[in-house]
Amino acid sequence: SYELTQPPSVSVSPGQTARITCSGDALPKKYAYWYQQKSGQAPVLVIYEDSKRPSWIPERFSGSSSGTMATLTISGAQVEDEGDYYCYSTDSSGNHRVFGGGTKLTVL
Amino acid sequence: QVQLQESGPGLVKPSGTLSLTCAVSGGSISSSNWWSWVRQPPGKGLEWIGEIYHSGSTNYNPSLKSRVTISVDKSKNQFSLKVSSVTAADTAVYYCARVLITTAGAGIDSWGQGTLVTVSS
Repeated sequence: SYELTQPPSVSVSPGQTARITCSGDALPKKYAYWYQQKSGQAPVLVIYEDSKRPSWIPERFSGSSSGTMATLTISGAQVEDEGDYYCYSTDSSGNHRVFGGGTKLTVL
Repeated sequence: QVQLQESGPGLVKPSGTLSLTCAVSGGSISSSNWWSWVRQPPGKGLEWIGEIYHSGSTNYNPSLKSRVTISVDKSKNQFSLKVSSVTAADTAVYYCARVLITTAGAGIDSWGQGTLVTVSS
């Protein structure tokens, strides 16, 4: 079955740039979506269609995709950005969705 | 702004059937969206269960397909999830969600708050 691979953890100091990657064979042809989840809460969409940002998400969040890798970038990470981040996409058949394993972002 | 609310038993016995319903408000379940179920075992990551269109078309996670049924009730503006033959491994927070489909995939843009279902005797 299709898999998306993320690093288990990323750690940065406040104000630094955090980059979280997501690799998958179908990403050249399928959009990646990114979700932030804080403890005990439902996930929140932070990036859609590889690089688009919902209006309610701070400008420091951006996304990109190249080849089989999508990347979520948080420029000038803040302590409040700590949490788990998940990528989400579709397999090559177009019928099955999958989440990456999640990346725990620590900002300290 | 669409809102989704899960409901159903919080405790299910092993070998039984888990049943949840997601009520959709602020929008029509017959819109051009798909509707999805996602679960998250305690301390673990998100797992896509499946999705349904208002026509009744479904897509399921291959690893769960033999035990999962997702249905839609347009008259009540809601959709439902059934998971049969449950074990402790099915203990999780279950989320319902709205899915936007594009020509290059799909993404969830709205989530319910989630409901914890525990499988235990």
